Amino acid sequence: LAKTTQPISMDSYEGQEVNITCSHNNIATNDYITWYQQFPSQGPRFIIQGYKTKVTNEVASLFIPADRKSSTLSLPRVSLSDTAVYYCLVGDSYSDTDKLIFGTGTRLQVFP
Amino acid sequence: DTGVSQDPRHKITKRGQNVTFRCDPISEHNRLYWYRQTLGQGPEFLTYFQNEAQLEKSRLLSDRFSAERPKGSFSTLEIQRTEQGDSAMYLCASSSRQGLETQYFGPGTRLLVL
Repeated sequence: LAKTTQPISMDSYEGQEVNITCSHNNIATNDYITWYQQFPSQGPRFIIQGYKTKVTNEVASLFIPADRKSSTLSLPRVSLSDTAVYYCLVGDSYSDTDKLIFGTGTRLQVFP
Repeated sequence: DTGVSQDPRHKITKRGQNVTFRCDPISEHNRLYWYRQTLGQGPEFLTYFQNEAQLEKSRLLSDRFSAERPKGSFSTLEIQRTEQGDSAMYLCASSSRQGLETQYFGPGTRLLVL
């Protein structure tokens, strides 16, 4: 499984756009990029997954450049409730082993 | 769909005691996972069931740890002779299909070993 590197923490204010970048230099051809969100005292929650270019859903957007060695999770107009830890995971989503390998994540703090 | 539930939510025990945690997955989810999370770290994989079969175990799962899923529904995780280093949040997740995006997590059981 490809190793990922993310900033340890980020601060933002309500209403701003937040971009969290994840580096995964040794990503494999079959690997997908998956992001989970974890609120305090809760289990992680899937937010978005992508393979290349751009993916958007009701929660976030995921930007993946052509070389796929990094990816950026974009949260539009954050609110206080977006304060959480965001994990970037890289792996083959269709392999027999779909256990999740989490790093330390990025702790996002949103201020009023 | 009531989500993944875990019981108890909190457990305080003395070193050397045995503890057992229960996970009830989303109904009809045949895949069930256990993870452990310590403060400031991401969750670490412990073990995985497909129906009642335990298909993968992490080397983190020492011989003091045992997990079961006897009827392919709920699962239990038992820790024997607890140690202070076992203090952590124990998370359960379930899914209905293969894929890194498919796991639904419960709220976890927070264990404190004194």
